[in-house]
Amino acid sequence: EAGVTQSPTHLIKTRGQQATLRCSPISGHTSVYWYQQALGLGLQFLLWYDEGEERNRGNFPPRFSGRQFPNYSSELNVNALELEDSALYLCASSYGAKNIQYFGAGTRLSVL
Amino acid sequence: KNEVEQSPQNLTAQEGEFITINCSYSVGISALHWLQQHPGGGIVSLFMLSSGKKKHGRLIATINIQEKHSSLHITASHPRDSAVYICAVVTGTASKLTFGTGTRLQVTL
Repeated sequence: EAGVTQSPTHLIKTRGQQATLRCSPISGHTSVYWYQQALGLGLQFLLWYDEGEERNRGNFPPRFSGRQFPNYSSELNVNALELEDSALYLCASSYGAKNIQYFGAGTRLSVL
Repeated sequence: KNEVEQSPQNLTAQEGEFITINCSYSVGISALHWLQQHPGGGIVSLFMLSSGKKKHGRLIATINIQEKHSSLHITASHPRDSAVYICAVVTGTASKLTFGTGTRLQVTL
């Protein structure tokens, strides 16, 4: 069974551009979570989607947004990119809320 | 002060040693995760527990809800255990994880 898959693996953008990151959860999982791990910093919670709706968001500006599709896959969009948005973005999925989360390999976003 | 504190920050051990990583938290939680992050960045979920003890192979995780403390033990450590181990807690009704800063473990031959 396939795990959580994220694409692309690496993404290079320039300041002011938009980035779109994608995540496919494990089959049967309805919850998708997005996390940011900036260089030298710990993991921080970004967004949680469940059954197609945004359920919670972390302390990030509105230019970080996303959605969850009917097949439970998810997109994370980052608008007006800033240099400090350079980070590893991790997606996780779980079967419903409050269950163990399984992580993807991440998308490394570099903003130049 | 962080809601989730881990100790030690860095740990070097020789192959075969018994290793303990500690996690303390200051908030009420519904569950606690132990995660393993390898140098490439990928994260593996090791355990999720809300009480007692869980064991998987050479890994053992315990939690004491009253003391707000959890430990991850690795028996007979091996160089392939070298990674960053991260404790994360689930708080309130949200399912988001709040992470500790991680413990960097290096196991040498």
